[in-house]
Amino acid sequence: SAVISQKPSRDICQRGTSLTIQCQVDSQVTMMFWYRQQPGQSLTLIATANQGSEATYESGFVIDKFPISRPNLTFSTLTVSNMSPEDSSIYLCSVDGRNEQFFGPGTRLTVL
Amino acid sequence: AQSVAQPEDQVNVAEGNPLTVKCTYSVSGNPYLFWYVQYPNRGLQFLLKYITGDNLVKGSYGFEAEFNKSQTSFHLKKPSALVSDSALYFCAVSSGYSSASKIIFGSGTRLSIRP
Repeated sequence: SAVISQKPSRDICQRGTSLTIQCQVDSQVTMMFWYRQQPGQSLTLIATANQGSEATYESGFVIDKFPISRPNLTFSTLTVSNMSPEDSSIYLCSVDGRNEQFFGPGTRLTVL
Repeated sequence: AQSVAQPEDQVNVAEGNPLTVKCTYSVSGNPYLFWYVQYPNRGLQFLLKYITGDNLVKGSYGFEAEFNKSQTSFHLKKPSALVSDSALYFCAVSSGYSSASKIIFGSGTRLSIRP
């Protein structure tokens, strides 16, 4: 199994600002995924991040709004840019394991 | 395109009774199917998966799920519910032929077990 940590665990931000969320894994992984869980909703995949290449974004998500970095095989960041209250969600990173995905504890973001 | 449906927003069961949380899926090729549970203010926890093999899959905390190819279903079951099973449950399907693929989640079913 993989142990995943995220920073920050939660934050309250002002409209128009940006927040960068960090995801650290205790082992090297090929693929990392970023999900969003809006209040009372299911998880929606934002993008897939491979080390050494640009992230692949799902429909409805764009790089300008959610830039992602993947500098090595154990780390990734997701930035939520120019935030609005609609961005208030839990953001989770996950990694592929052996026939399953492991999830981080999530970052709870509130935008005022 | 793959998709997964959880037709029930909420399931209410008395403690000690059997429980079933329903899930149906649509995917091209062989499905990789998962159940995850989310407790309040906690992360997503893996319960069980179906990749291949026996249609009845046993997982954590006494849960099991039955894969039914003809009905494209993967219902979660437990013979005797506990109050501590109350949580949000997500069914999920993985695309393609590799487990290292993106996972699509269902809308979730809130399971409430009354004492």
